[in-house]
Amino acid sequence: DGGITQSPKYLFRKEGQNVTLSCEQNLNHDAMYWYRQDPGQGLRLIYYSQIVNDFQKGDIAEGYSVSREKKESFPLTVTSAQKNPTAFYLCASSIPGLGMSQYFGPGTRLTVL
Amino acid sequence: GENVEQHPSTLSVQEGDSAVIKCTYSDSASNYFPWYKQELGKRPQLIIDIRSNVGEKKDQRIAVTLNKTAKHFSLHITETQPEDSAVYFCAASPINNDMRFGAGTRLTVKP
Repeated sequence: DGGITQSPKYLFRKEGQNVTLSCEQNLNHDAMYWYRQDPGQGLRLIYYSQIVNDFQKGDIAEGYSVSREKKESFPLTVTSAQKNPTAFYLCASSIPGLGMSQYFGPGTRLTVL
Repeated sequence: GENVEQHPSTLSVQEGDSAVIKCTYSDSASNYFPWYKQELGKRPQLIIDIRSNVGEKKDQRIAVTLNKTAKHFSLHITETQPEDSAVYFCAASPINNDMRFGAGTRLTVKP
């Protein structure tokens, strides 16, 4: 299970507050990803980064922001602009290139009170 | 962009029977098709994958087939066991490694 970690496992926030989810990997992977998972649904791509200091929006980037200052780290900030932030958030990493499998972190469950 | 559809959304089988989950994709440039298993509250784990230059791949009780012409691929689990119960996701990755996932299939294996 090692290699990619997320913290915290559970996170509670009040409406109107920004919150940052941590994702760290020691797999020496260049590419990192953030997904959102809602009950009974698949994984929807929020943001991804193929290399340090570069990232692209996924399908549901509105209300989220990311940074990629280090290869090992890809934090996700859920801003107050995200109208329905309660969900399970999964971070993943991979070697960039054609057809590379992604390895997932354990996830952070965010609940807005 | 890529769009992946997965069927069925739920599947219940008797222990020992086979289970088949099917996915279709839209982007003909997709060349990598992994399958993930996710147990309740845990991270998705890669169980098998197939690349576009291969039509079928097998790993013990699990097999995946790919039909590039029809743009569909399937997961086959034989001799199912209760521990196979989980949510299974298919995915398709086009040329920029921007992977898209299906909505998932909840498989229940009844003892």
